[in-house]
Amino acid sequence: DVKVTQSSRYLVKRTGEKVFLECVQDMDHENMFWYRQDPGLGLRLIYFSYDVKMKEKGDIPEGYSVSREKKERFSLILESASTNQTSMYLCASSLSASGYGYTFGSGTRLTVV
Amino acid sequence: DQQVKQNSPSLSVQEGRISILNCDYTNSMFDYFLWYKKYPAEGPTFLISISSIKDKNEDGRFTVFLNKSAKHLSLHIVPSQPGDSAVYFCAASKGGSEKLVFGKGTKLTVNP
Repeated sequence: DVKVTQSSRYLVKRTGEKVFLECVQDMDHENMFWYRQDPGLGLRLIYFSYDVKMKEKGDIPEGYSVSREKKERFSLILESASTNQTSMYLCASSLSASGYGYTFGSGTRLTVV
Repeated sequence: DQQVKQNSPSLSVQEGRISILNCDYTNSMFDYFLWYKKYPAEGPTFLISISSIKDKNEDGRFTVFLNKSAKHLSLHIVPSQPGDSAVYFCAASKGGSEKLVFGKGTKLTVNP
C-alpha cells in the first residue's frame, strides 16, 4: 500500500513565523498535492507538483510556496504565517493519471496564534 | 465556480437503514468519479469510484450510481452502520488531468 507521511500531526506557530510542512510518499508517484480543509469549504487545492522541481498553483496559493527537490518529498511553506492559515493541511500523491485517485496523508492540524 | 456540488452539508440516518449521499457536477468533460471518506483528524481514504462508461459500481455495502444526462451521482450505503459516520467527499476528474475536483463534503451521522 502507498504510504503518505506528513511529518507533524499538530503544530502551533506564531504569527509571522515561517512554517514548513513536510510530506513524503513511498511509492514513486509522480504527482503530489497540498490541500487545506476548512469547515463548510471542503478541500481546497493550494499547490500541486507533477514532477521533481515542477509546481503549479492550485485554487488558493496566496501566502504559500512549495518545494519538490526529490520525487518522494513535497514541502509546503507558509512564508509568514497568519491566523487565517489556521487549518487542517492534507498532502496527497497519485500516479500519472488522475483516474487512479489520490492517497492522502493523515493531515497536519496547524494553529497560528 | 463550483464544478462539483454536494448540496447537503449533513445527513442523519438510523443504523440498518439506507444512506444516500448525492453529488452534482457541471463539467461534462468529467469522466471519472470517486468517493472519499474522512474521519476527524485523519486524511480522506478512497471508498469507491466509477468511470463514465458505467452507470453503477458496487463494492460490498457501497454502491455508486452515475446519471450522466443529469450530471448526478449518488452513493448508497446499505445497511448503514455507526462506523460509517464520517464526512464523505465526492470528486471528479477529466481524462488526462492530474487534478481531482472535490465537493465540499457531506457529514453522515449514523445513529445506533
